[in-house]
Amino acid sequence: NAGVTQTPKFQVLKTGQSMTLQCAQDMNHNSMYWYRQDPGMGLRLIYYSASEGTTDKGEVPNGYNVSRLNKREFSLRLESAAPSQTSVYFCASSDSGGRYGYTFGSGTRLTVV
Amino acid sequence: AQSVSQHNHHVILSEAASLELGCNYSYGGTVNLFWYVQYPGQHLQLLLKYFSGDPLVKGIKGFEAEFIKSKFSFNLRKPSVQWSDTAEYFCAVTLYNNNDMRFGAGTRLTVKP
Repeated sequence: NAGVTQTPKFQVLKTGQSMTLQCAQDMNHNSMYWYRQDPGMGLRLIYYSASEGTTDKGEVPNGYNVSRLNKREFSLRLESAAPSQTSVYFCASSDSGGRYGYTFGSGTRLTVV
Repeated sequence: AQSVSQHNHHVILSEAASLELGCNYSYGGTVNLFWYVQYPGQHLQLLLKYFSGDPLVKGIKGFEAEFIKSKFSFNLRKPSVQWSDTAEYFCAVTLYNNNDMRFGAGTRLTVKP
């Protein structure tokens, strides 16, 4: 099925460990996004990539890095995980400008202990 | 600060009751407005969107929303809810042609059979 694919679906990390969340879309969208979802806070934008070769900070970028590997793939890296990064992470993609809404992946549930 | 506010954190209704979920935003200028739904354990799905034209927008599954520019509001409605509408609902806003979508904190809807 066409859409946004995220891996892994679940992950448990120890404080200080690093990991990369992978995201790929097959809709030929220019823009891709990483959000985190926390109870009572909705979704908050971590980083986005308006087009291949560009990345920009969102609302909560601290502690994260991203790579737009090509038009299809946009990865999120935690260099040194902290308990405050326990969350559900969603990748999304859209046509340029996001005017018609975003398509979301199924999410990665990350627990940092 | 620019924000998206959803007034109700948790709404409990009986089947066949009418639904209205409030959403207000504080951004100036031209905006695109969205409602997303997240069923338990799933990713966000687009319910409906508004970017111009008729301020009354109809979406999937019998939902509709009305954009009232003077009130900076985009409330979601459904005349008669079903048990299957149990989910969390998110209002979201992007500035015109902007790649930064901001979400409200979400409203959890529980429909009792």
